[in-house]
Amino acid sequence: DAEITQSPRHKITETGRQVTLACHQTWNHNNMFWYRQDLGHGLRLIHYSYGVQDTNKGEVSDGYSVSRSNTEDLPLTLESAASSQTSVYFCASSDLGAGVFGVDTDTQYFGPGTRLTVL
Amino acid sequence: GNSVTQMEGPVTLSEEAFLTINCTYTATGYPSLFWYVQYPGEGLQLLLKATKADDKGSNKGFEATYRKETTSFHLEKGSVQVSDSAVYFCALNAGGTSYGKLTFGQGTILTVHP
Repeated sequence: DAEITQSPRHKITETGRQVTLACHQTWNHNNMFWYRQDLGHGLRLIHYSYGVQDTNKGEVSDGYSVSRSNTEDLPLTLESAASSQTSVYFCASSDLGAGVFGVDTDTQYFGPGTRLTVL
Repeated sequence: GNSVTQMEGPVTLSEEAFLTINCTYTATGYPSLFWYVQYPGEGLQLLLKATKADDKGSNKGFEATYRKETTSFHLEKGSVQVSDSAVYFCALNAGGTSYGKLTFGQGTILTVHP
């Protein structure tokens, strides 16, 4: 069965270190997304990609970067981890579904999440 | 811009009670609307969705109707179970220049007691 996986599931790091969170999907989806989940904020979009070599900034992209070298993977890098980046990170993927009145109806499939603690 | 507002939580109910979680949205054009559920320790799963006005999404006894006139997509279930305890997120996909991107509400924690 197709799936989306994230690793590691839990990570503790120190302020200033570089950290990379992995996301791998076997849906063969074009679109991939990274969100962070914080109490009271729901999920906020960090970066997203519509295909290989394409990356875009979301609403909370400062301090994060992504690269898309193949369809399956979108790793998220924290260049210099800060305590404010302590959060739960979710990766998601989607593909374009059948549109109605020109509206996209793609459903996003989420990974299990990575809990990151920055000390 | 696009936004989603959910009712404040947490919500605590007894088993077999009626559930309503309110969701209203702001968006241009004709967004698609979603409810996602997150069980403890897991990622989000799609619960139901609706793609145009007056559509009703349904799954696992949950229902929500896309009301364009009130810009709402309230989640309802007639008789909740302990296993429904989770966090529920309302979301929209505005399409157009927001292609593929979801805007989420803040989430509502539901706890169901036996």
